[in-house]
Amino acid sequence: NAGVTQTPKFQVLKTGQSMTLQCAQDMNHEYMSWYRQDPGMGLRLIHYSVGAGITDQGEVPNGYNVSRSTTEDFPLRLLSAAPSQTSVYFCASRASQRNTGELFFGEGSRLTVL
Amino acid sequence: QQQVKQSPQSLIVQKGGIPIINCAYENTAFDYFPWYQQFPGKGPALLIAIRPDVSEKKEGRFTISFNKSAKQFSLHIMDSQPGDSATYFCAASIGGTSYGKLTFGQGTILTVHP
Repeated sequence: NAGVTQTPKFQVLKTGQSMTLQCAQDMNHEYMSWYRQDPGMGLRLIHYSVGAGITDQGEVPNGYNVSRSTTEDFPLRLLSAAPSQTSVYFCASRASQRNTGELFFGEGSRLTVL
Repeated sequence: QQQVKQSPQSLIVQKGGIPIINCAYENTAFDYFPWYQQFPGKGPALLIAIRPDVSEKKEGRFTISFNKSAKQFSLHIMDSQPGDSATYFCAASIGGTSYGKLTFGQGTILTVHP
């Protein structure tokens, strides 16, 4: 079972470059989300989606865009990378829109912005 | 604004000890409190969760204690083992139209020495 798959696992960018972090899940989950993990800050929600065509902002959305054209995929776009976006990014999905049940995480994408 | 505060940041115990990790929350609308466990290089995974209508929940060696009036909850690991060495995150969410967005604590790095 693949679960939640994130690519790439590692990426180095220069300030001002753009890129897309890919996330795919094969569990037919309605809810998908992106978090960033920084030391001492825990996991902070960037954007989330409750179904195809529906997205909304989380706690730290600035500098990031998302779209949800299919149930399976939820890419995260960095429009103009900044050093403050150096972080580990996690995609996560859940079967239900409601707040019950397990949130399944990918293995993360480590991004460094120089 | 950190709505869930977790302590300590790091914790070292000997094998067989009982590490305790504490979390405090501010928003009384939170109605779901999970704990996630993260091993190095992996995404977080659900460990155990509780709702505020119970004061304690046990799953194997892991116990959540919940104090609604104090707005605090804690994780106890009985007979800790070196394999329990990981980062632990508490979290909280609200049901209904908030779509169960999880707010995480800052994380606790647990080391269990053999």
